[in-house]
Amino acid sequence: DSGVTQTPKHLITATGQRVTLRCSPRSGDLSVYWYQQSLDQGLQFLIQYYNGEERAKGNILERFSAQQFPDLHSELNLSSLELGDSALYFCASTPGGSWSEQFFGPGTRLTVL
Amino acid sequence: AQTVTQSQPEMSVQEAETVTLSCTYDTSESDYYLFWYKQPPSRQMILVIRQEAYKQQNATENRFSVNFQKAAKSFSLKISDSQLGDAAMYFCAYHGNKLVFGAGTILRVKS
Repeated sequence: DSGVTQTPKHLITATGQRVTLRCSPRSGDLSVYWYQQSLDQGLQFLIQYYNGEERAKGNILERFSAQQFPDLHSELNLSSLELGDSALYFCASTPGGSWSEQFFGPGTRLTVL
Repeated sequence: AQTVTQSQPEMSVQEAETVTLSCTYDTSESDYYLFWYKQPPSRQMILVIRQEAYKQQNATENRFSVNFQKAAKSFSLKISDSQLGDAAMYFCAYHGNKLVFGAGTILRVKS
């Protein structure tokens, strides 16, 4: 158990819908990272937040957004969902802003029908 | 832009034998970290080993060691005395100004 929690574990929804994925980092960790793992695309870095502020952006679509709250949990919002958004979404946390081992959550499996 | 290449989509090893997974990367940065992560069937991502680019000494964690060649931009993972529990997808990752993961190598362990 990495200490990072993600909810829900599974999510099934329809195209065009909007969903919110939640992540709670390890106690004391200030950074949260979001990743998307599709079957055919490996692990893609989406976005990083550090202590409430956006720190780095990867291959995140405009339909996706994230935020980190004062209690340091983070939410990833996915809107206007498409079939291709079906994937495993991971969150990871680190104590600082960079250069650290990342502790991954168990992931949220999103299926868009 | 930084890239990470894992040229072996799949590898097999006999139990108790040694296997080496390849990883090359491209960057113009001088300061960065490299990681190997393991993803077993449970899909949980687990850190195997990490290497700081400024360190010349290769990192070692029990049966896992790396061969880090900074000039060649190569970062291979050696697993000694392979065990059935080592069967997983292995990802090489670069962490500099950007985070980049390789496409992964599936490792199968035969008993």
